[in-house]
Amino acid sequence: DVKVTQSSRYLVKRTGEKVFLECVQDMDHENMFWYRQDPGLGLRLIYFSYDVKMKEKGDIPEGYSVSREKKERFSLILESASTNQTSMYLCASSSEGDRRNEQFFGPGTRLTVL
Amino acid sequence: QKEVEQNSGPLSVPEGAIASLNCTYSDRGSQSFFWYRQYSGKSPELIMFIYSNGDKEDGRFTAQLNKASQYVSLLIRDSQPSDSATYLCAVKLVAGTYKYIFGTGTRLKVLA
Repeated sequence: DVKVTQSSRYLVKRTGEKVFLECVQDMDHENMFWYRQDPGLGLRLIYFSYDVKMKEKGDIPEGYSVSREKKERFSLILESASTNQTSMYLCASSSEGDRRNEQFFGPGTRLTVL
Repeated sequence: QKEVEQNSGPLSVPEGAIASLNCTYSDRGSQSFFWYRQYSGKSPELIMFIYSNGDKEDGRFTAQLNKASQYVSLLIRDSQPSDSATYLCAVKLVAGTYKYIFGTGTRLKVLA
């Protein structure tokens, strides 16, 4: 069964802390994505990766960085958390060989920055 | 800025009726179109995808695409209370890119 897992469902951090969100997929997918989802703004792409060590900025990369050292794992890093980064973070993966181009989503991490 | 627009709703329909959800997109080069369903507190899941102009049916769901009008819709026949969710329209841009643009979603409420 297809699976994308995220390291935490809920996370509370303080302003200025460095935050790591981890995502693991077991489908051998080439592509992995990090989104944030906010009411009224929908899903916005932060970063994506199409191969190990490869990354591209999405629409809102400011304040974030990513790491993909292994094919199955894609990490999102908040270098210095701020209150405006309080959000739901969703990881997704997809396969270039999939004609449906389906993105499979993880359960999400609800991050609160105090 | 490439955009995908949806009415936020809520769209309320009685049980057994047809629910019609609409989406417009701004980039004429868009290639692939998707409808994701997201239950409250859950992550999105794909329910329909369409590439060609016209209709595509899968069970109670029909996706309709009109590239000339830059319009994609989702019809849900015989709506059930379990269909109550937010429906996200997503567009994959030109071939060779990995990026998807999501709409903000339409909240559907099916009344028993």
